[in-house]
Amino acid sequence: SQTIHQWPATLVQPVGSPLSLECTVEGTSNPNLYWYRQAAGRGLQLLFYSVGIGQISSEVPQNLSASRPQDRQFILSSKKLLLSDSGFYLCAWGDRLGETQYFGPGTRLLVL
Amino acid sequence: SQELEQSPQSLIVQEGKNLTINCTSSKTLYGLYWYKQKYGEGLIFLMMLQKGGEEKSHEKITAKLDEKKQQSSLHITASQPSHAGIYLCGANGGDYKLSFGAGTTVTVRA
Repeated sequence: SQTIHQWPATLVQPVGSPLSLECTVEGTSNPNLYWYRQAAGRGLQLLFYSVGIGQISSEVPQNLSASRPQDRQFILSSKKLLLSDSGFYLCAWGDRLGETQYFGPGTRLLVL
Repeated sequence: SQELEQSPQSLIVQEGKNLTINCTSSKTLYGLYWYKQKYGEGLIFLMMLQKGGEEKSHEKITAKLDEKKQQSSLHITASQPSHAGIYLCGANGGDYKLSFGAGTTVTVRA
C-alpha cells in the first residue's frame, strides 16, 4: 500500500532563516505531487505541484520554492522565511488513473 | 480556479443525532471529493463523486452529488464522538488540481 511521509512534524524558525521541508511517497511510481498551505481558519491553498522529476508548477508567487530531485521526493524550501510563512504545510500525492489526492500528516511551521 | 462554498461553517450535534454538510460550486463539478481532518493532522480521504445523482456510503457517512453536479451534501447518521473533526470538500478542475472549501468543523457532544 502507499504511504506518504513528511518531516519534520513541527518546526519553529526565526524570521530570515532558511527552510527545508521534505515529503516522500512509498508504494507508487511517477505520482503527481503537491504542496499545500493551510492557514488558521482558512482552507487549503495549493502552492506547488509536480508531474515529474524536475517539473514544478507554482500556483502562488511567494518566497517559497519547490524541487523534485527524485520520483517520490518533494521538497519545499525558502531562503529567508517571513512571519506570513507560518502555517500548516501539507504534501499530497495523486495517481495518474484517477485524480484523488492522498495527504501526508503535515508540518506545522511557526516563524517568530 | 473553482470556488467552493461550504455550509455551515461549524456545527455542534448531540451524540446520536444526524447532521448534514453542504458544498456548493458556481461551476459544474467534474469530480467532488470529501475529506476529514482532525486538528493538526493530515486529510483523510472519505469518498469521491463524479456522476450527477451519484450517492456513496461508507459506514454511517453518505455523500450525494446533485443531478446538475453543482452541489454535494455529506450526511452523517447517528453521530459519534469519532465523527468530530473538520470536513472539507474539494473539486477537480480537470487538470489534476483540487480546489477546496473552507471546511466545516463538527463537534459531537456526549
